[in-house]
Amino acid sequence: EAGVAQSPRYKIIEKRQSVAFWCNPISGHATLYWYQQILGQGPKLLIQFQNNGVVDDSQLPKDRFSAERLKGVDSTLKIQPAKLEDSAVYLCASSLVRDNYEKLFFGSGTQLSVL
Amino acid sequence: AQSVTQLGSHVSVSEGALVLLRCNYSSSVPPYLFWYVQYPNQGLQLLLKYTSAATLVKGINGFEAEFKKSETSFHLTKPSAHMSDAAEYFCAVKEGGGADGLTFGKGTHLIIQP
Repeated sequence: EAGVAQSPRYKIIEKRQSVAFWCNPISGHATLYWYQQILGQGPKLLIQFQNNGVVDDSQLPKDRFSAERLKGVDSTLKIQPAKLEDSAVYLCASSLVRDNYEKLFFGSGTQLSVL
Repeated sequence: AQSVTQLGSHVSVSEGALVLLRCNYSSSVPPYLFWYVQYPNQGLQLLLKYTSAATLVKGINGFEAEFKKSETSFHLTKPSAHMSDAAEYFCAVKEGGGADGLTFGKGTHLIIQP
């Protein structure tokens, strides 16, 4: 089966610019996560969707980060405006149902560099 | 709040030697514990998980981990290292009954010496 698709693979922007990342989960997967992985650290959950509804966004910096999953399929994560400390790999993951960690699949991520 | 500590950001072993990657957790309720592996330019892959069944958990690629409640540990081991095991390894925790998202440790980079 096709994996979790993310684009772009790399993005370089200057601080205060805007950027958007796209994620297409595995077909039929209802649960979608966005994680932020800063160099030298483990992934940190930003937001979790169940279909097109938000389950958990408690760690999303809502003053600059936003995410949507309008049709319950693919998802977009946006940063506006970007700061230097946003430089990280942004990972998308999906699973068929909630709490199914054997079937939780991660994409390869989008590497963001903010200059 | 739950947290995970991985001891050693880098571990180097010789091919054929024992692999031991350490993980200690903090959780106010019985946790679910996981080990993930990340190869260069690839997504995270689940190695194994503990969800309150057997304390010794066997995973893929010959890895296993033992849950020790008294030590709040979930160390990952493999009897004989292979060159293909070189990767970044992450321990993660989820509180039973809590939010779905995983809390990851900082990772341990495993280096295999020929």
